[in-house]
Amino acid sequence: GAVVSQHPSWVICKSGTSVKIECRSLDFQATTMFWYRQFPKQSLMLMATSNEGSKATYEQGVEKDKFLINHASLTLSTLTVTSAHPEDSSFYICSASPGGNTQYFGPGTRLTVL
Amino acid sequence: ELKVEQNPLFLSMQEGKNYTIYCNYSTTSDRLYWYRQDPGKSLESLFVLLSNGAVKQEGRLMASLDTKARLSTLHITAAVHDLSATYFCAARSQGNLIFGKGTKLSVKP
Repeated sequence: GAVVSQHPSWVICKSGTSVKIECRSLDFQATTMFWYRQFPKQSLMLMATSNEGSKATYEQGVEKDKFLINHASLTLSTLTVTSAHPEDSSFYICSASPGGNTQYFGPGTRLTVL
Repeated sequence: ELKVEQNPLFLSMQEGKNYTIYCNYSTTSDRLYWYRQDPGKSLESLFVLLSNGAVKQEGRLMASLDTKARLSTLHITAAVHDLSATYFCAARSQGNLIFGKGTKLSVKP
């Protein structure tokens, strides 16, 4: 149980385009979902926390207008990188929590912006 | 602001020997997590430590927590090649996970 999927697993896009990444909890309802970014050989940095039906809470330094998060249901959150630039190239990982101690991590999405 | 520090950042291990990774955190945290990450992959949950003195073991890995010292350790017993990966600790602050920089383990025969 407790499976989290992400789609796509990798994406290459041109600079200036927008990219949407989906995060789904497959067998549980996620009251909270988290989005992380991981640059090569670095740790995970929390970007934002979202609760179903409410606006996401962004970490300091993360532009909310650039990284749009929608948590429309208890099993789906989306991250849209708007007007992507090469410096946005990174590994984006979501996690989902049914509540309590645990976060279940998705497999990650590797974004490359040309 | 909660900060999490791991050391060492790199660890070259010999098969069969024992090693320890240290994870210090700067302010009170109610949870301490250990994760494993293989290259190009996401995180695999290893342990969740909830209270002072907690000790959990899985195979060759054992994690412990000292909340008074704000220190968690991940002990590796008789290292084997399969353990080569990057290991992260994370502490929880106000519901959010704050990660250490990770420790890259490499096991040499």
